[in-house]
Amino acid sequence: RKEVEQDPGPFNVPEGATVAFNCTYSNSASQSFFWYRQDCRKEPKLLMSVYSSGNEDGRFTAQLNRASQYISLLIRDSKLSDSATYLCVVNSLGNTDKLIFGTGTRLQVFP
Amino acid sequence: GAVVSQHPSWVICKSGTSVKIECRSLDFQATTMFWYRQFPKQSLMLMATSNEGSKATYEQGVEKDKFLINHASLTLSTLTVTSAHPEDSSFYICSATQWEGQSDTQYFGPGTRLTVL
Repeated sequence: RKEVEQDPGPFNVPEGATVAFNCTYSNSASQSFFWYRQDCRKEPKLLMSVYSSGNEDGRFTAQLNRASQYISLLIRDSKLSDSATYLCVVNSLGNTDKLIFGTGTRLQVFP
Repeated sequence: GAVVSQHPSWVICKSGTSVKIECRSLDFQATTMFWYRQFPKQSLMLMATSNEGSKATYEQGVEKDKFLINHASLTLSTLTVTSAHPEDSSFYICSATQWEGQSDTQYFGPGTRLTVL
């Protein structure tokens, strides 16, 4: 089983739609969780950290369920510029600096 | 925010040659940098953890004699792909961590696309 699993998509949604991505992780001892965004042929960029209480940043909401080892990202009012691959990232056991990346979920927003 | 640069951004080389990639933290000091590799349509895979002033820690399956890492200062780490072969063609990305109050955040360089002919 992969340490971090995501639905690869692609998710094709119209502008203005709400879309949700899910991610599961296998290591119950993981402490830090993130969503990164990666555009084609570019480096990943931090979108937001994910906290136990859930957190929101504008149109983006992240949720963490430690019991189910499940992380989600909700994007409201999708924009064309949201088209990218969204990477679920979890720190590895025993080392807070070592990150494990999911394969990413591809989002394509169309007009 | 923290800025990490990489040089070169892309390189094409012949099989058997060595290629050096530089990773710099421009506005902060990084005692730890990371080197990743990403093949098309795959996730980033950590290759090694680079620690300033000490030997790098390599992930399982990564040949340390083939991928030489040097972290000579708090702002520079280099990755040298020795005797490169076509299967080494990939997108190489470095990152550096910066403490931001509650946790370390990794900032990524723009990546280096290596093509070995």
